[in-house]
Amino acid sequence: ETGVTQTPRHLVMGMTNKKSLKCEQHLGHNAMYWYKQSAKKPLELMFVYNFKEQTENNSVPSRFSPECPNSSHLFLHLHTLQPEDSALYLCASSQPDRQTFFGQGTRLTVV
Amino acid sequence: AQKITQTQPGMFVQEKEAVTLDCTYDTSDPSYGLFWYKQPSSGEMIFLIYQGSYDQQNATEGRYSLNFQKARKSANLVISASQLGDSAMYFCAMRAGDNAGNMLTFGGGTRLMVKP
Repeated sequence: ETGVTQTPRHLVMGMTNKKSLKCEQHLGHNAMYWYKQSAKKPLELMFVYNFKEQTENNSVPSRFSPECPNSSHLFLHLHTLQPEDSALYLCASSQPDRQTFFGQGTRLTVV
Repeated sequence: AQKITQTQPGMFVQEKEAVTLDCTYDTSDPSYGLFWYKQPSSGEMIFLIYQGSYDQQNATEGRYSLNFQKARKSANLVISASQLGDSAMYFCAMRAGDNAGNMLTFGGGTRLMVKP
């Protein structure tokens, strides 16, 4: 148990579907992140939120839409995805200059 | 820009033996931190050990130690007395500069397989 919880753990969606990934942390951290892990590629940072404000968008396509309603919750809204978007999506949180904690990830398959 | 390189895609080690996983990094920032994470098949990234660029001594955490050679820009992970449960992917990562938050740059990972 790392303190960062992601739901669902697995998701299969069609290219026309709309779905959302949820991340929750009760570690008191002020920064939250979405990372993408594709097969045979290093983890890629997607978005960063500090104190609920988005501070980094790593050239992510608009079919991925993050939302951070408060410092404990982070969502990733998905719509009209492509099969190449199939990957493990990892949420993380941290305090400045401290260890980054990761969730268990959502394994997404786009069919 | 920061870069992490892990040159060993996969490694085998005999149970109870020690193993070294290689990591080299590149950054122009004088202040940075180096991390190692373990990722079992369940997907979770588990923090193992941290080394700061100004730390004088190599970091150790139980069976994990980090062989930090600053001049060579390497931060190899040493696992002593390997256990079957150590079989997993291992990622080296770096946080560098005065960036916003703790953005990490990851290497490609090394798959470690412990043989009984």
